[in-house]
Amino acid sequence: GENVEQHPSTLSVQEGDSAVIKCTYSDSASNYFPWYKQELGKGPQLIIDIRSNVGEKKDQRIAVTLNKTAKHFSLHITETQPEDSAVYFCAASNNGGQNFVFGPGTRLSVLP
Amino acid sequence: GAVVSQHPSRVICKSGTSVKIECRSLDFQATTMFWYRQFPKQSLMLMATSNEGSKATYEQGVEKDKFLINHASLTLSTLTVTSAHPEDSSFYICSARDIAESSYNEQFFGPGTRLTVL
Repeated sequence: GENVEQHPSTLSVQEGDSAVIKCTYSDSASNYFPWYKQELGKGPQLIIDIRSNVGEKKDQRIAVTLNKTAKHFSLHITETQPEDSAVYFCAASNNGGQNFVFGPGTRLSVLP
Repeated sequence: GAVVSQHPSRVICKSGTSVKIECRSLDFQATTMFWYRQFPKQSLMLMATSNEGSKATYEQGVEKDKFLINHASLTLSTLTVTSAHPEDSSFYICSARDIAESSYNEQFFGPGTRLTVL
């Protein structure tokens, strides 16, 4: 089955700096890779996703890159703000395969 | 759009009692809903896939007789934790897929239910 690893487990950056979180997956059949932001006591919120036919996707300060050959994908947050502080989860899923396999999460702290 | 609600948001119960958690898709129809469990500072672990009008599919290690799932309509799935024990205390989160977007994988998550068993 699919296995998703995520690094780092914790990340602290100064406000305004960039943050990068990396995930690797094991199942070459996976073709959908979402990123979720989870604030304390709340459910995960989708912030960006990418499908395997695309190498990069950007939405304002957030971008995701995918390297299918190496089976890894990364989340990039630029110009970080204190409200970006949260736990971020990556996930992998295969087409029609409804199950998501989540990474272990990264706790991001943006220091003012 | 694509809002998923859960009720209750928090529940405290005594050991041995049963607790029902509802998951609703508010503005879309979902043939499939998913139930996850999340322990403190850990990731989401899929417990079961709930299919409208049929039996749920449980992940390995999840007791189907303990975690009863009913998906009676296209907008409602319920998870009942039967004979709850302190080790069942966790954050339970549901998600749903939009039936109109069957070609996509996106799941919309509810806000979660914090269960504490005394």
